[in-house]
Amino acid sequence: DTAVSQTPKYLVTQMGNDKSIKCEQNLGHDTMYWYKQDSKKFLKIMFSYNNKELIINETVPNRFSPKSPDKAHLNLHINSLELGDSAVYFCASSQETGEQFFGPGTRLTVL
Amino acid sequence: GNSVTQMEGPVTLSEEAFLTINCTYTATGYPSLFWYVQYPGEGLQLLLKATKADDKGSNKGFEATYRKETTSFHLEKGSVQVSDSAVYFCALSDRAGGGNKLTFGTGTQLKVEL
Repeated sequence: DTAVSQTPKYLVTQMGNDKSIKCEQNLGHDTMYWYKQDSKKFLKIMFSYNNKELIINETVPNRFSPKSPDKAHLNLHINSLELGDSAVYFCASSQETGEQFFGPGTRLTVL
Repeated sequence: GNSVTQMEGPVTLSEEAFLTINCTYTATGYPSLFWYVQYPGEGLQLLLKATKADDKGSNKGFEATYRKETTSFHLEKGSVQVSDSAVYFCALSDRAGGGNKLTFGTGTQLKVEL
């Protein structure tokens, strides 16, 4: 059974478009995260939600908007995509402050 | 703010060689420390962790000891295999502000050759 899943796995789009990445976890965790991994493999947290409430919001352009419809889902919507948004985006989940489990990643390419 | 520094890669070793990947950290308070591994084309997997000073995390032959006096968490393995080829990330967990933010090092790519 997949613990943390993301869709799509690959996303190729044009500059200026709006796109969404979906994340679902079936671990019963109450906290979910979005991380961005750049071309040099550097990983940085973007957002964290606990029980559908935003608790971490790093310095991220407001073109990025996370949405958590319920505890098991945390989606990432990106408006007006730019070239610099090209990266691999990872979703993760944890039980409060426990170990974080990561999804397989979504590779976003903006042309 | 918190930060994690790990050695630059890539590190290339022959099979059965000894591995050390250095990791040092800067943090306020008492963070938990982690090593994550990323195999090609995959997400991150937790390799091992330590939650307090002098704890030793171990898994799959890898070990790391939480050294508060030197603010280090170096990863070691006595005999690497080709299947260990991956990118290794050192990270610390900061629970300030009610969140659980992982701060990662830049990653060290390991290549193991026959």
